[in-house]
Amino acid sequence: AQTVTQSQPEMSVQEAETVTLSCTYDTSESDYYLFWYKQPPSRQMILVIRQEAYKQQNATENRFSVNFQKAAKSFSLKISDSQLGDAAMYFCAYTTYNQGGKLIFGQGTELSVKP
Amino acid sequence: GAGVSQSPSNKVTEKGKDVELRCDPISGHTALYWYRQSLGQGLEFLIYFQGNSAPDKSGLPSDRFSAERTGGSVSTLTIQRTQQEDSAVYLCASSLLMWGRETQYFGPGTRLLVL
Repeated sequence: AQTVTQSQPEMSVQEAETVTLSCTYDTSESDYYLFWYKQPPSRQMILVIRQEAYKQQNATENRFSVNFQKAAKSFSLKISDSQLGDAAMYFCAYTTYNQGGKLIFGQGTELSVKP
Repeated sequence: GAGVSQSPSNKVTEKGKDVELRCDPISGHTALYWYRQSLGQGLEFLIYFQGNSAPDKSGLPSDRFSAERTGGSVSTLTIQRTQQEDSAVYLCASSLLMWGRETQYFGPGTRLLVL
């Protein structure tokens, strides 16, 4: 079965500090794409960062970066210089080349940011 | 341009009634996805469209659920004879193409409550 596991239901970080959210996935496919989405209380899912499995270099978007370990099937998200606006639910997801874009999501990690 | 829009934002209905949820994708996006977000099941895929056809309906939980897309644009998700377990947030997303590498842009969702 294709699954995504986020082992941290809740995380907390102090403003301006760094936090890492964990994600592992399970697929037998070799060509797939990984995503981190953010969902604030407004419910709007927003793409934070994406990674193509064939790329060895870890993706980076401003304060957000990933640690992609393909052999371990691990895809963690690092948020640097955390801001109050980063508080949200974060979902890890993936899709494979032949799934038409269908996303498989983890259960989510709720991140709180303390001032 | 405008993002993905969904209507209604909230819907309260009585058990046994039919409901229709609407999604307006980003103009020009050929792929459209429906997901359901509930407390017990997390985020789960329901169906996706490429143009007006639905290659993958595997996520529809029962034959009470159906969806259509007309003119390669607007999509309607219909739930017949609603049950309390149908209570959830229904999210719609669209992408330029249906390939896994494409980013999906989500709407704000419709929160459905079945009494």
